[in-house]
Amino acid sequence: DTAVSQTPKYLVTQMGNDKSIKCEQNLGHDTMYWYKQDSKKFLKIMFSYNNKELIINETVPNRFSPKSPDKAHLNLHINSLELGDSAVYFCASSQIAGTYEQYFGPGTRLTVT
Amino acid sequence: SQQGEEDPQALSIQEGENATMNCSYKTSINNLQWYRQNSGRGLVHLILIRSNEREKHSGRLRVTLDTSKKSSSLLITASRAADTASYFCATGSGGSNYKLTFGKGTLLTVNP
Repeated sequence: DTAVSQTPKYLVTQMGNDKSIKCEQNLGHDTMYWYKQDSKKFLKIMFSYNNKELIINETVPNRFSPKSPDKAHLNLHINSLELGDSAVYFCASSQIAGTYEQYFGPGTRLTVT
Repeated sequence: SQQGEEDPQALSIQEGENATMNCSYKTSINNLQWYRQNSGRGLVHLILIRSNEREKHSGRLRVTLDTSKKSSSLLITASRAADTASYFCATGSGGSNYKLTFGKGTLLTVNP
């Protein structure tokens, strides 16, 4: 069984469109994260949710809006997509918000044309 | 801002050799973690070392942490072709807003 899953795996869209990426974890973890990995493989945290509550918002444009309907799901909605949004987006989860290892999903490669 | 900096950026070795990757960071940390990323895949957690620990082992992996020098190293012994991947160090800091800050990674290529 996949621990952290993301859909879709690939997303190709045009500038100005709105798109969503979904993430689900079946590990029973309380904390979930969204990361962005750029073309140089630099991985940067975007958001963190603990039990459906936003705890980290790392200076991300307002066009990005995370939503956590329950603690097993954390979705990422992106409005008015820009070329610079092209990247691989990873969802991750950890047992609780703290000194614990994180489990990563397979990533969603977003390409904005 | 970026916390960890891995060194070297790329490393190519023969199967059976040892691989050492280094990580330096700038601010105080709760812990330091190492992750592996195979091409086109998500990151996989390898090992976590707390700020009050100096060395940790897991199978063929050995991690050291020197908080006075703000540096860590990852040693992979008896490398295998399957170890080919990017390796990232990540520093963990913060309390209720704990987060991991990743370095740019070391691309390790193990030639058969």
